[in-house]
Amino acid sequence: DTAVSQTPKYLVTQMGNDKSIKCEQNLGHDTMYWYKQDSKKFLKIMFSYNNKELIINETVPNRFSPKSPDKAHLNLHINSLELGDSAVYFCASSQPGQGAKVLTFGAGSRLTVL
Amino acid sequence: EDQVTQSPEALRLQEGESSSLNCSYTVSGLRGLFWYRQDPGKGPEFLFTLYSAGEEKEKERLKATLTKKESFLHITAPKPEDSATYLCAVGGGGNKLTFGTGTQLKVEL
Repeated sequence: DTAVSQTPKYLVTQMGNDKSIKCEQNLGHDTMYWYKQDSKKFLKIMFSYNNKELIINETVPNRFSPKSPDKAHLNLHINSLELGDSAVYFCASSQPGQGAKVLTFGAGSRLTVL
Repeated sequence: EDQVTQSPEALRLQEGESSSLNCSYTVSGLRGLFWYRQDPGKGPEFLFTLYSAGEEKEKERLKATLTKKESFLHITAPKPEDSATYLCAVGGGGNKLTFGTGTQLKVEL
């Protein structure tokens, strides 16, 4: 199946730990994103990569570090986790051009920090 | 800064009871108004893009319309399977989408 897949789907961890979320897309898209959805369902962009190059870096604590080894993969590493990091993290991808903002989302990774 | 406000926050309809969801926006240079559907435990799924005032798009029981300040998602004769959260987003500069907080729709038999 063509899709955006992210792992793990659920992540429960203690404050202060470091964790990673992985994302892969097989749609042939050039641009990938990380979005954070809080408990009120508000989706906010964190990062965007175009063909492995960082193009959007919102005001995100530098404990969050994205890495794109190739244009089909975008991982998110989070250091020193805090309670406020608890959220659902969505990976997405899109093609450039007029349809650039038609995002295809993954199923989300729910992070719970205790 | 781009802003999107959706109303109502939640809507409960009986099957067959038509209604509309509202999305008000402010953006410097609109590059598309997007509607997504999100089911529980899943990522948002793209429904429509509208680019200019007066534009309309339809898909099954859904019709999206756009003015210079707001968009409506009209749901005609909804069914229980239309229950979901509907998210509106605006495309501004760059590749960035600004989302609203959504309308949680529940359609009951």
